[in-house]
Amino acid sequence: DVKVTQSSRYLVKRTGEKVFLECVQDMDHENMFWYRQDPGLGLRLIYFSYDVKMKEKGDIPEGYSVSREKKERFSLILESASTNQTSMYLCASRIFLGQPQHFGDGTRLSIL
Amino acid sequence: GQQLNQSPQSMFIQEGEDVSMNCTSSSIFNTWLWYKQDPGEGPVLLIALYKAGELTSNGRLTAQFGITRKDSFLNISASIPSDVGIYFCAGHGSGNTGKLIFGQGTTLQVKP
Repeated sequence: DVKVTQSSRYLVKRTGEKVFLECVQDMDHENMFWYRQDPGLGLRLIYFSYDVKMKEKGDIPEGYSVSREKKERFSLILESASTNQTSMYLCASRIFLGQPQHFGDGTRLSIL
Repeated sequence: GQQLNQSPQSMFIQEGEDVSMNCTSSSIFNTWLWYKQDPGEGPVLLIALYKAGELTSNGRLTAQFGITRKDSFLNISASIPSDVGIYFCAGHGSGNTGKLIFGQGTTLQVKP
């Protein structure tokens, strides 16, 4: 079974804090993705990675960075959290290009 | 850019009824995927379609990859209360970098 694990289901942080969201997959997948999901806006791609130490900007990368030091782990970093980054964050992975993405359970992040 | 139009936006049906939803695109897609998302959870892959005309079933769910490669539908037969959730279509367009394009989602409510 495919397993994508996000480190926290719920997280509350303060404006200006540096926030780390962690995602781990145990299927030896090449590609990993970070999305945010907001009512009325659907899923929007923040960053993705096709291999270790590689990263590509998605559609809304501003205010975020990522790190992929190991194949199984893809971290999303909010450099200085702001209230407009309050959202549901979803991590996904897939074995390689053209195959389905599998999602984690999500992290509901609130920035106060 | 490539977009997916998913309809209907929401459905409220009686338990036991059949359900149909569809996605259309103005451009050709190489892969069609259908996901279900329960409240507060991440999307779960239901069915993946890879060839034009392909018809695939997963229990009470049936999905088809349109022959024109610009549409797909998902049918749910004999709905039950646990079918409640948001259903998303998604696909890989031709010539893209492998990013998934998502539909806006269909919210399904089932009355016991």
